[in-house]
Amino acid sequence: KQEVTQIPAALSVPEGENLVLNCSFTDSAIYNLQWFRQDPGKGLTSLLLIQSSQREQTSGRLNASLDKSSGRSTLYIAASQPGDSATYLCAVFLSAGNMLTFGGGTRLMVKP
Amino acid sequence: DGGITQSPKYLFRKEGQNVTLSCEQNLNHDAMYWYRQDPGQGLRLIYYSQIVNDFQKGDIAEGYSVSREKKESFPLTVTSAQKNPTAFYLCASRKQGAEKLFFGSGTQLSVL
Repeated sequence: KQEVTQIPAALSVPEGENLVLNCSFTDSAIYNLQWFRQDPGKGLTSLLLIQSSQREQTSGRLNASLDKSSGRSTLYIAASQPGDSATYLCAVFLSAGNMLTFGGGTRLMVKP
Repeated sequence: DGGITQSPKYLFRKEGQNVTLSCEQNLNHDAMYWYRQDPGQGLRLIYYSQIVNDFQKGDIAEGYSVSREKKESFPLTVTSAQKNPTAFYLCASRKQGAEKLFFGSGTQLSVL
């Protein structure tokens, strides 16, 4: 069974700092990996989607990388801002089946 | 505006009561999903449906039931058999063949 782990569970950084969030998964037979943002009491917003054949995806100040062989993905946030404060979740979509498996999330706080 | 609408935003359940959470989408998506999120944790799949009149159990289906009579609607019933229903419930949908998952804004269910 696929298991997805995110480290750290919580992170607090000063504004302007570059930071890396980590995601690891146990089954490398994934179809894609997605990073989501969740604000308190809200639904999830898709940030980046990396296909299994890709190594990275970029959107603005966000860059996500994927290393299938080692079962790892990272989300890099450049020049963090207080508005980036949220919970970030990664999820993997297995090659077989139609379900996303989610990690527990990293709760990020960016202090002004 | 296209999107996924969940209602109500807050719901309270009495002991022994069944309650139904609504999820409606006008995105013409084929697949719909129900997830449960407990505080500080990731999402766990309850049920999903890929087409009308068909649905499959996820990882934590016990104590829940669903129906998919219309493409745009996927209501979730939390039955009295679910002994620990307090959680944040998220509905999502996806167009068949596409990877991105779109989420509603969630329903917070609490027990009185």
